[in-house]
Amino acid sequence: AQSVTQPDIHITVSEGASLELRCNYSYGATPYLFWYVQSPGQGLQLLLKYFSGDTLVQGIKGFEAEFKRSQSSFNLRKPSVHWSDAAEYFCAVGADNNNDMRFGAGTRLTVKP
Amino acid sequence: DGGITQSPKYLFRKEGQNVTLSCEQNLNHDAMYWYRQDPGQGLRLIYYSQIVNDFQKGDIAEGYSVSREKKESFPLTVTSAQKNPTAFYLCASSLGTVTSGANVLTFGAGSRLTVL
Repeated sequence: AQSVTQPDIHITVSEGASLELRCNYSYGATPYLFWYVQSPGQGLQLLLKYFSGDTLVQGIKGFEAEFKRSQSSFNLRKPSVHWSDAAEYFCAVGADNNNDMRFGAGTRLTVKP
Repeated sequence: DGGITQSPKYLFRKEGQNVTLSCEQNLNHDAMYWYRQDPGQGLRLIYYSQIVNDFQKGDIAEGYSVSREKKESFPLTVTSAQKNPTAFYLCASSLGTVTSGANVLTFGAGSRLTVL
C-alpha cells in the first residue's frame, strides 16, 4: 500500500516570508497526490491535487506544489505567507488499486508577526 | 450549499457506553468515509462505503461499526469495545469510483469524542 511521510512536525515562519512544506510518498506507480489544510477544530479543505500532466500544480490561497518523481516528493510552497495561513497541513496519496487515501502525520504551521 | 454535516460537534461518554456519530451529505456522492484523528498521527481510516448497503473495514475498524442504509447517511457507532475512543472523528465523501484513487475528499467539520 502507499504511504506518506511529512518530515516536519512543526514549522514557524515570519509573515511575508516564503514557505515550503515537505512531503515524501512511497508507491510503485504514479500516485494521486493531495494537500489539505485544517484549521483548529475543523475539517480538512483541499488546497491542490496532482493526478497527471504538468508537475507544477496551482491551488487555492496562492499555494503551489511540485511533483518530483525522481525524489518521490510533492512539496507545498507559497511565496509569501499570511497570518491566516497558520494551520495544520496534510499531504495525502491515493492509488489506483485501492480505495484507501493515506495521510501524512501533518505539519503545523505557525506564522510570526 | 452542498456539504457534509457531522453531529454532535462535541460528545462526552462514560466508559462502557456506545455512542453514535452522525454524518449526512447532500453532495450526491457515492462514497463515504470515517477517519479518526489523533495528535501527531494524521488521519486513519476506520470504515468506508462505496455504495448503499455495502461498507469495508479500514485500518482501525476494531471497536467501531457503521451502516449505510441511505446514500446520504453514514453513521458511526463507537462501541464499548473500542479501548481508546477519545479522538477527533472526521467524516468525508467523494464522487470517486470503486477502483479509482483519484478521489477528492470533502470533509465534515468533525466530532470530538471524550470518554470520561
